[in-house]
Amino acid sequence: QVQLVQSGSEVKKSGASVKVSCKASGYGFRDYYIHWVRQAPGQGLEWMGRIDPTNGGTRYAQKFQGRVTLTRDTSINSAYMEINSLKFDDTAFYFCARGRQQVWLYWGQGTLVTVSS
Amino acid sequence: QSVLTQPPSASGTPGQRVTISCSGSSSNIGGNAVNWYQQLPGTAPKLLIYSNDQRPAGVPDRFSGSKSGSSGSLAISGLRSEDEADYYCLAWDDSLNAWVFGGGTKLTV
Repeated sequence: QVQLVQSGSEVKKSGASVKVSCKASGYGFRDYYIHWVRQAPGQGLEWMGRIDPTNGGTRYAQKFQGRVTLTRDTSINSAYMEINSLKFDDTAFYFCARGRQQVWLYWGQGTLVTVSS
Repeated sequence: QSVLTQPPSASGTPGQRVTISCSGSSSNIGGNAVNWYQQLPGTAPKLLIYSNDQRPAGVPDRFSGSKSGSSGSLAISGLRSEDEADYYCLAWDDSLNAWVFGGGTKLTV
């Protein structure tokens, strides 16, 4: 069955970087985009960007351009989301989702990133 | 401030029908499809409706979606206690070249 399994919770200091992984199984990894969505505590959903596993092509929401990097490793069917220069308001759950056009049917379980002083 | 506007809350009693709206513009819903997600506390979002009115396999037909102009709607009929959740709309925005979510609607049953 299709699964997206994300890496565990992280606690980072302000100014540091964090890299979250999303390991896919049960389908052709190159056949679907991987989207990244974040949700601050008690807040709504926010699209960050997506990567095309076939060629590594990326698209970012303007807010995250330059501070977020999406990558993938097709040899192990994994996608990664790295945020640099962490700020306190980057504290959030980060989700990966498998997407093809309008259909984002499968999601990872979410990874909590906490930014502390 | 979200690009797509949803009411922050909605409510209903078991068995009732409720509707949640999602208002956008010509650059998003007006020219593209609207999609709907349900999020229960502490869980990942679940796709309920895609391409305005299509249900993925396994989603009960109590859930239906529609679109008119630059607005989309999610209707839930035969309301159940387990429908109590947050609901989000999602659409592609041609001006922002980005996917945009609505601010979310908390449904109380």
